[in-house]
Amino acid sequence: DADVTQTPRNRITKTGKRIMLECSQTKGHDRMYWYRQDPGLGLRLIYYSFDVKDINKGEISDGYSVSRQAQAKFSLSLESAIPNQTALYFCATSDPRRGASSSYNEQFFGPGTRLTVL
Amino acid sequence: AQSVTQPDIHITVSEGASLELRCNYSYGATPYLFWYVQSPGQGLQLLLKYFSGDTLVQGIKGFEAEFKRSQSSFNLRKPSVHWSDAAEYFCAVGARTGNQFYFGTGTSLTVIP
Repeated sequence: DADVTQTPRNRITKTGKRIMLECSQTKGHDRMYWYRQDPGLGLRLIYYSFDVKDINKGEISDGYSVSRQAQAKFSLSLESAIPNQTALYFCATSDPRRGASSSYNEQFFGPGTRLTVL
Repeated sequence: AQSVTQPDIHITVSEGASLELRCNYSYGATPYLFWYVQSPGQGLQLLLKYFSGDTLVQGIKGFEAEFKRSQSSFNLRKPSVHWSDAAEYFCAVGARTGNQFYFGTGTSLTVIP
């Protein structure tokens, strides 16, 4: 089973609709991230969370909100979707504990959610 | 400000030829450096990473990268490219505190027979 899962994998919606993208992880990592990917722009950080009570805005948080329901779950919401939010969205996790393993500070990515806003 | 530059948007190489993908970064301290690969329709997979020590790091799938502090570079290399290497490649720099990742805009690799 995948360590980081995202639902849905694809979504088409209309302008003005509220959309929630969900991310779950079984890696036991405290840190979780939401990115969007646009052609020619790479990945840009939307929000990140260091634990359930610690949520921070990233580079492009306007128009988005997040909820960290549990260590394993981190949801991204678009309160009122607009066409320029059409993108590929990735969730990622990381383990900040020095010495925990060779994967210290590496980010592990989910398969992505392709969102189209009409 | 932190940033990552991948100057080549798209590269085409012949199968069996060598490959070098460039990455330059701007960061105020010694960073953690990563290369990720994204195959079509897939998420990102880590190829290799540099934290400290030997500046030439080996990764999966026959890739390697060299950290050159004086040039603020972390170029990715492969001596002989396979058709399955066609993908998008992202360089990233991370803070040692682990709270931020900055990605380059990516280099798309096409492999021709």
